[in-house]
Amino acid sequence: DADVTQTPRNRITKTGKRIMLECSQTKGHDRMYWYRQDPGLGLRLIYYSFDVKDINKGEISDGYSVSRQAQAKFSLSLESAIPNQTALYFCATSDLGDRGLVTGELFFGEGSRLTVL
Amino acid sequence: AQKITQTQPGMFVQEKEAVTLDCTYDTSDPSYGLFWYKQPSSGEMIFLIYQGSYDQQNATEGRYSLNFQKARKSANLVISASQLGDSAMYFCAMGTGTASKLTFGTGTRLQVTL
Repeated sequence: DADVTQTPRNRITKTGKRIMLECSQTKGHDRMYWYRQDPGLGLRLIYYSFDVKDINKGEISDGYSVSRQAQAKFSLSLESAIPNQTALYFCATSDLGDRGLVTGELFFGEGSRLTVL
Repeated sequence: AQKITQTQPGMFVQEKEAVTLDCTYDTSDPSYGLFWYKQPSSGEMIFLIYQGSYDQQNATEGRYSLNFQKARKSANLVISASQLGDSAMYFCAMGTGTASKLTFGTGTRLQVTL
């Protein structure tokens, strides 16, 4: 089983619908992140959380919200989906200090492909 | 603000040849880490290699090496002896301080040919 699991893996929805993407991890990491990937734009940070009581906006948080239900679970919601939110969404975790890194590497889920019609 | 630039949208390399993927970065923080990730067509993100700003030696991991030139703010990935399975999108990323909030470049698509 994957250490970082995202559900659903694929979703097609209509404009205006509420969508939730879920992420769970078994790595025991405190830090969790949501990124979106668009062709030609790389990965951009939506939200991140350093522990259950800590939620922070990333560079493109408008139109999104998150919930950190537990150390292992971090959900991303689109309250009213729009077509330009069509993208590949990644959840990631990290643990500061792994292998003595200045800043921790990210461990990614397999991605959730969302299409908004 | 920190920024990562990958100027090569696509690259071709013949099997068994070496290839260099370019990455330049910009940050005012003296403490930072540079990462390379591989994304095959299946979509998952695979960590390849890491270089810390205080590391004296260039990082190496098997066929991957990172050509770190601090004064030029570049962190190029070198893949030696390319294999067909190296065909993928490659992303350079940077994190500063202890935040682990990585900023990614736009990626380079590498195609390995026979």
